[in-house]
Amino acid sequence: GEDVEQSLFLSVREGDSSVINCTYTDSSSTYLYWYKQEPGAGLQLLTYIFSNMDMKQDQRLTVLLNKKDKHLSLRIADTQTGDSAIYFCAESRTGNQFYFGTGTSLTVIP
Amino acid sequence: EAQVTQNPRYLITVTGKKLTVTCSQNMNHEYMSWYRQDPGLGLRQIYYSMNVEVTDKGDVPEGYKVSRKEKRNFPLILESPSPNQTSLYFCASSSTSGRKTGELFFGEGSRLTVL
Repeated sequence: GEDVEQSLFLSVREGDSSVINCTYTDSSSTYLYWYKQEPGAGLQLLTYIFSNMDMKQDQRLTVLLNKKDKHLSLRIADTQTGDSAIYFCAESRTGNQFYFGTGTSLTVIP
Repeated sequence: EAQVTQNPRYLITVTGKKLTVTCSQNMNHEYMSWYRQDPGLGLRQIYYSMNVEVTDKGDVPEGYKVSRKEKRNFPLILESPSPNQTSLYFCASSSTSGRKTGELFFGEGSRLTVL
């Protein structure tokens, strides 16, 4: 399968910005996604970006895509304790098969 | 309420004893899929189904079977479970239009331990 890599852990102070990074290997990826997993729950879609876009902003979330370097990032502005969770990036070429990263566990320190 | 329901949520079993994890969705979604989540490996897709009677292998299908006889149900079958299938399993569903934008609805997960 395709490789999607993320760092495993990130800690930030409440009110700071968080930046979660992801690299992927499939240059044919058409759709790229960020999901959030809270303890004991399934994943929830946060946002997505198409490969022909460089940036997408949705309230406190900003997604940046560097297609040349196959690098995707998720910035959370004004991080709150409720943002503590595991964040997964994922990619798909066709919307049939999805390849997920290892997940980044975000801890927000009050 | 729109939901994806998995059963059982927790199961401890022994090597070789056939088991089925059920998944049911009430959103009339065409697309359904199964994932396993393992520490340090993220989620890996086992099988997916585009519609009734249409199933395809994902990234890690070995040791698993699925069927899609009805639109709402997509059971995952482990014919002869082995300890390396100990994992947290998630079922997800999506509409045809929603899956390209990643709108997967996940169940709450089924934690399986094979001794």
